[in-house]
Amino acid sequence: AQKVTQAQTEISVVEKEDVTLDCVYETRDTTYYLFWYKQPPSGELVFLIRRNSFDEQNEISGRYSWNFQKSTSSFNFTITASQVVDSAVYFCALSEASDSWGKLQFGAGTQVVVTP
Amino acid sequence: KAGVTQTPRYLIKTRGQQVTLSCSPISGHRSVSWYQQTPGQGLQFLFEYFSETQRNKGNFPGRFSGRQFSNSRSEMNVSTLELGDSALYLCASSPPDRGADGYTFGSGTRLTVV
Repeated sequence: AQKVTQAQTEISVVEKEDVTLDCVYETRDTTYYLFWYKQPPSGELVFLIRRNSFDEQNEISGRYSWNFQKSTSSFNFTITASQVVDSAVYFCALSEASDSWGKLQFGAGTQVVVTP
Repeated sequence: KAGVTQTPRYLIKTRGQQVTLSCSPISGHRSVSWYQQTPGQGLQFLFEYFSETQRNKGNFPGRFSGRQFSNSRSEMNVSTLELGDSALYLCASSPPDRGADGYTFGSGTRLTVV
């Protein structure tokens, strides 16, 4: 069963618009880790953020912000004032403490297209 | 510091052949994981190696294998290649403890099977 769901396949915005990417996860572990990665056309996965299950603080990093809500099993990602360089595929991922550290379970990804 | 290095970047092989891909993790990282990325299946976990031992394995046939050397470098091998093995293969390294950051990925090896 899919443990990480990214329902949005593609989102297209015009530069300077905000865009929110949804991520819903499923786990029975009480300790787990959530991640967001960015994959530009070059293919490399670029780490954006990691959040531990016991830390529900939201986080802001420049134009990026994350909203973690355990009650709804969601870990959403917002890009404020989008730029063309934000065009990429964004992946949400889950690592469960009951599994080995090196195993990430990815969502299907959301393609973000930012046009000038 | 140097990132995760994967070689080669591109590879074209014929059905039935075998292939070996290499991954050099960040210095000090002892965990190396491999992932297969295809348009149809997305990013799927292949296996993880830690201190030369396979620690976890995904749901892939036995044609997919790997190993890790004492310097933490890892190789994965795919035997009897099939067209469906065409994919981007990514490896990731992480430090021995569950530190503050995520895994660091390499740029991948794009394998095309013809």
